[in-house]
Formats: sequence, C-alpha cells, structure tokens
Amino acid sequence: DTGVSQDPRHKITKRGQNVTFRCDPISEHNRLYWYRQTLGQGPEFLTYFQNEAQLEKSRLLSDRFSAERPKGSFSTLEIQRTEQGDSAMYLCASSKTSGSSEQFFGPGTRLTVL
Amino acid sequence: QKEVEQDPGPLSVPEGAIVSLNCTYSNSAFQYFMWYRQYSRKGPELLMYTYSSGNKEDGRFTAQVDKSSKYISLFIRDSQPSDSATYLCAMELDFGNEKLTFGTGTRLTIIP
Repeated sequence: DTGVSQDPRHKITKRGQNVTFRCDPISEHNRLYWYRQTLGQGPEFLTYFQNEAQLEKSRLLSDRFSAERPKGSFSTLEIQRTEQGDSAMYLCASSKTSGSSEQFFGPGTRLTVL
Repeated sequence: QKEVEQDPGPLSVPEGAIVSLNCTYSNSAFQYFMWYRQYSRKGPELLMYTYSSGNKEDGRFTAQVDKSSKYISLFIRDSQPSDSATYLCAMELDFGNEKLTFGTGTRLTIIP
C-alpha cells in the first residue's frame, strides 16, 4: 500500500494525559498536512510542512499541540494535557510540490478523551 | 459566517437518480476547488479537482465551478448504493497557499 498511513487508528486516553500520533506520507510527497475533524464537520487545517520546515500553523493549534517532521519524511503530532474538547479525528495528508495541490489523506487517528 | 457553506443534508435518493451537491463560498480569492468523498470513519478521498471556473467530467461525476457566483457543484449520474458517503467540498486560495478550507460535508444515501 503506497498511500498515507497513520498510527494509531484509535486512541482512548484520560484527560490530562499526553498523546502522540504518527503520519507516514506517500514517499515522493514533500508536503505534509495535519487537519482535525469533529463529528458532523469538515476537516479544519492545523499545520503543514514542506520537507522538515513547518510553514504554517493555525490558531487552532494551541500551545498544547506540537508537530514535527524531523527528517522530512514521517511526522508526529503531540497533544499535551489532553482535554475532552480534543476528541476528534486527526487527519494527515500529503502532496507533491509540482504546481498542483492535490492532497491525499490518510485514514485518520480517532482520539477519544475521557 | 463560515468561508465555505455546504448543506449538511442528509440527502436520500433512489438508485439511478442524478444527485446534485453544492457549496457556496465568500472568499473570491479561492482558485482551486475539490470534491472529496468520505466513508464512515475513513479519511477523505479526492474525487475531482478543478482550477478556476468551468466544468470537469470524470465518468459519472461532473464538477462545475462558477466563480462569478461563488458557487460550485458536483453532479453524480446513475447513482449507485456504493456512492453513499459524505461529500466534502474543499477550496484553496492560490498556488503556494496550501491549506484547504472545507465545507461541513453532505451526507448522501442512495437507496437500492
């Protein structure tokens, strides 16, 4: 399978705990994006990387959120001191730098904060 | 007011019907327009991708963009039960500004 992969697919945690998600983009894609999707809503942009550089962060990405892409390949999204409002599907997408912006999404990590 | 508005539905139609899904938007700077299909508890899958105004056809799917009206549509002909999913419109400002702005999604059910 050469698509975008995410791990874990599901995460249940207690309020106040830290969680980390991983995304592996399509191998030739140098752009990587994180989105958050709550029930009944479309995905909302969180942040994006070109190679290892984090180029934009949404105001949705509070200080408790941090994302990294250390070698320009996979990326991690960490949420510290989780809150119930963090419960959502966290989606990763990737694209090429080639004049189009077709973003291909992974299956998502569903986070439930109890 | 959201930048992108989409009727959340739900929308139920009989198999074989023509389906029309629509989005309106407020930011005239949007240049790229996409339609994604999302099955329950899965990630969105890109269906159609268009630049600026005009029509684009791919099999049973046709995407239309009318920038003067800030209105985009997706038509599905000869709808099948496998088309049952949530359809999301998405837009991008311009090349180099990469984040997508999504509508809320329309939940579509095709009744056999």
